[in-house]
Amino acid sequence: DAGVIQSPRHEVTEMGQEVTLRCKPISGHDYLFWYRQTMMRGLELLIYFNNNVPIDDSGMPEDRFSAKMPNASFSTLKIQPSEPRDSAVYFCASRLDRGNQPQHFGDGTRLSIL
Amino acid sequence: GESVGLHLPTLSVQEGDNSIINCAYSNSASDYFIWYKQESGKGPQFIIDIRSNMDKRQGQRVTVLLNKTVKHLSLQIAATQPGDSAVYFCAENRSTGRRALTFGSGTRLQVQP
Repeated sequence: DAGVIQSPRHEVTEMGQEVTLRCKPISGHDYLFWYRQTMMRGLELLIYFNNNVPIDDSGMPEDRFSAKMPNASFSTLKIQPSEPRDSAVYFCASRLDRGNQPQHFGDGTRLSIL
Repeated sequence: GESVGLHLPTLSVQEGDNSIINCAYSNSASDYFIWYKQESGKGPQFIIDIRSNMDKRQGQRVTVLLNKTVKHLSLQIAATQPGDSAVYFCAENRSTGRRALTFGSGTRLQVQP
């Protein structure tokens, strides 16, 4: 059973460039979450979707960040323009909508903005 | 994933000993709790969960204890192995309303061979 799949695993780019991170949730899961992890702030929720609809984007740091979920099997997190302070590991997670269920995480995208 | 927090509390144990990792949660309305394990270069991995109508739940080599009176959660690992070395996070959620988990800051477990 495939888990949450994220791509790319690593991304290094120069500031000002557009960055797109991708996520494929576990098939059948109704919720999808985007997190950012840094040494200083730990795991931060950026946004989450239910049935492809954004529910809470209060964690998105700035207008430079946007996320979409065009269908149940794909989501993107885009940063435009990117800045060095965006460097972090970005995780995607998904879960079932069936009472209390754990979130299952991908292995993340390590993003470095030079 | 990266190590979380420059000053993560660290628990160092000898291989074969039992480990206890503690977590204080913040929201008295939380009714669902999860422990995650994060190894270097990987995402958080689900270990075990517990609902607020229970005070103990056991898995394979792991036990979670919940004390709602003092809002405290613990993870016990029996016969700790080198492969248990990782950062451990507790997370809390309410079963109604917002579906996002609130994560603790994590504890690093180091198992000495």
